[in-house]
Amino acid sequence: AQSVTQPDIHITVSEGASLELRCNYSYGATPYLFWYVQSPGQGLQLLLKYFSGDTLVQGIKGFEAEFKRSQSSFNLRKPSVHWSDAAEYFCAVGANDYQLSFGAGTTVTVRA
Amino acid sequence: SAVISQKPSRDICQRGTSLTIQCQVDSQVTMMFWYRQQPGQSLTLIATANQGSEATYESGFVIDKFPISRPNLTFSTLTVSNMSPEDSSIYLCSVEDRLGQYFGPGTRLTVT
Repeated sequence: AQSVTQPDIHITVSEGASLELRCNYSYGATPYLFWYVQSPGQGLQLLLKYFSGDTLVQGIKGFEAEFKRSQSSFNLRKPSVHWSDAAEYFCAVGANDYQLSFGAGTTVTVRA
Repeated sequence: SAVISQKPSRDICQRGTSLTIQCQVDSQVTMMFWYRQQPGQSLTLIATANQGSEATYESGFVIDKFPISRPNLTFSTLTVSNMSPEDSSIYLCSVEDRLGQYFGPGTRLTVT
């Protein structure tokens, strides 16, 4: 069975500071891995995904994520956070592009 | 990426009634999906809906409770039948394209 753990329920970061969101997954083969963002009142938006190739994946809005097979992790990073990055972030794993299991989410608060 | 709309955006319904949620996509897609996001929880896949065939339900979800229609390649409906307060959730439609899975804005359902 596939599962995702996002250890941090809530993170507060200052504007301009770096951000790292943790994601650990459990899956028996090479997974598809995703990060989604859900802004208040908005739908889910795909930030980036990984299936194969370069383990450092670039996404939209300046986000990147690194796949580390040995640690079963797919952490999301952004070097400099903007106030508009305040949102809930979901990591997801799947056997393909669509049958996904989502983590519980991490809420990011950005302080001025 | 595909543009997805859902109707209604929100509703308050009485126990024992049914609600049909519509999902419209601006392009033809083979696979459409329905998810549920219960309060304070992550997303759970309800079913996969392919045009021209019966929907495939995930464990814990049954057709009698969540009947789905998929009459063409741009539209699907999910009905939440015989509702109880436990069905209060956000229901999301999603589609897959070559870049990944994209989600609609969701339908926020409250059952009283």
